[in-house]
Amino acid sequence: ILNVEQSPQSLHVQEGDSTNFTCSFPSSNFYALHWYRWETAKSPEALFVMTLNGDEKKKGRISATLNTKEGYSYLYIKGSQPEDSATYLCALADSGNTPLVFGKGTRLSVIA
Amino acid sequence: EAQVTQNPRYLITVTGKKLTVTCSQNMNHEYMSWYRQDPGLGLRQIYYSMNVEVTDKGDVPEGYKVSRKEKRNFPLILESPSPNQTSLYFCASSSTSGFYNEQFFGPGTRLTVL
Repeated sequence: ILNVEQSPQSLHVQEGDSTNFTCSFPSSNFYALHWYRWETAKSPEALFVMTLNGDEKKKGRISATLNTKEGYSYLYIKGSQPEDSATYLCALADSGNTPLVFGKGTRLSVIA
Repeated sequence: EAQVTQNPRYLITVTGKKLTVTCSQNMNHEYMSWYRQDPGLGLRQIYYSMNVEVTDKGDVPEGYKVSRKEKRNFPLILESPSPNQTSLYFCASSSTSGFYNEQFFGPGTRLTVL
């Protein structure tokens, strides 16, 4: 069974701090990596889909990098704001016709 | 507005009483799937569908059925619900089956089986 690990499980940061967290996955058979943002009482929303080693994507203050050779992706949030508080999920596809496998998420709390 | 809708949003039922959770998308997406979310576990895929009349098992299909008779609809059927199916369920869709595209999630259905 494919294992997608996210760390840390949770973290608390002060408003204005920058932060990052990790998604680790088996480096063999990589197909695509997804990042989602999931606010409490809402549904997950896509942030990025990354497919190429060395990919870097950015959306506002949030960016992500991908290293498929070593099997990890980082998500960065610059100048965290309270509205960034959410659970951040990564999900791996190891082929084009097998289920996406989600990690358990990193729960971020930004304290004003 | 492009969206994925699910009904009902909340449901409390009893063991053994058949139920259906509907899912519909208006984006003409080929790929649809069902997930369940349980505390301490990641989203786990129940079933998915690459296109009309094409469905396949995900990681946790036991106790569930699906159908895909039309492109826009992908209902989840629990023929004989049991308490271990108490969970938060999400339907999702994406434009292709290649997992290169982001998934759009519905609002979720919170199911309690007594």
